Amino acid sequence: AQKVTQAQTEISVVEKEDVTLDCVYETRDTTYYLFWYKQPPSGELVFLIRRNSFDEQNEISGRYSWNFQKSTSSFNFTITASQVVDSAVYFCALSEAANTGRRALTFGSGTRLQVQP
Amino acid sequence: SAVISQKPSRDICQRGTSLTIQCQVDSQVTMMFWYRQQPGQSLTLIATANQGSEATYESGFVIDKFPISRPNLTFSTLTVSNMSPEDSSIYLCSAQRTAGRAEAFFGQGTRLTVV
Repeated sequence: AQKVTQAQTEISVVEKEDVTLDCVYETRDTTYYLFWYKQPPSGELVFLIRRNSFDEQNEISGRYSWNFQKSTSSFNFTITASQVVDSAVYFCALSEAANTGRRALTFGSGTRLQVQP
Repeated sequence: SAVISQKPSRDICQRGTSLTIQCQVDSQVTMMFWYRQQPGQSLTLIATANQGSEATYESGFVIDKFPISRPNLTFSTLTVSNMSPEDSSIYLCSAQRTAGRAEAFFGQGTRLTVV
């Protein structure tokens, strides 16, 4: 069975600080996909990134960066120079690739990020 | 990317009544799912909506309480039946393609309050 753990329940930082959100996953599949989503107070899920298990390259998108390490089953997310608009709940998720198609996502419990001005 | 329209966006319902949530995808997708997010919690999968056949429910969710339809590749409904205050949650529709890019697209969610 697959599992995603986000050990940080809530993080509070001051604007312009860097912050890293941790994600550890468990899966028996060799092919799987990892995701990060942002959920602002309005409730919609905003897709941030997808990574497949064969691509361990780290990725940077503006102030966002992701560190994927299969050796430690981690897919951490860093926001550089945080802004108040980054305040939201962030979810890490895992999807296994079944023979009949992709399975639904298993979500972590989420990390609430509060960026203080 | 696929765009998912979900409605209603929110509703306040009386206990004992039922609410049907609609999910429309703007392109053909193979996989459609329904999730529930209880207040302050993460997302939990309710079921996989299968085209033309009965949905596949996760442990703890049953068809009598959450009947699901999927008459074609782009449309699905979730009904929350005989509602109680414990059903107050955000319900989200999701869609994925089997091949190609692996993004899971989500609707904007339905915020349900049962009084």
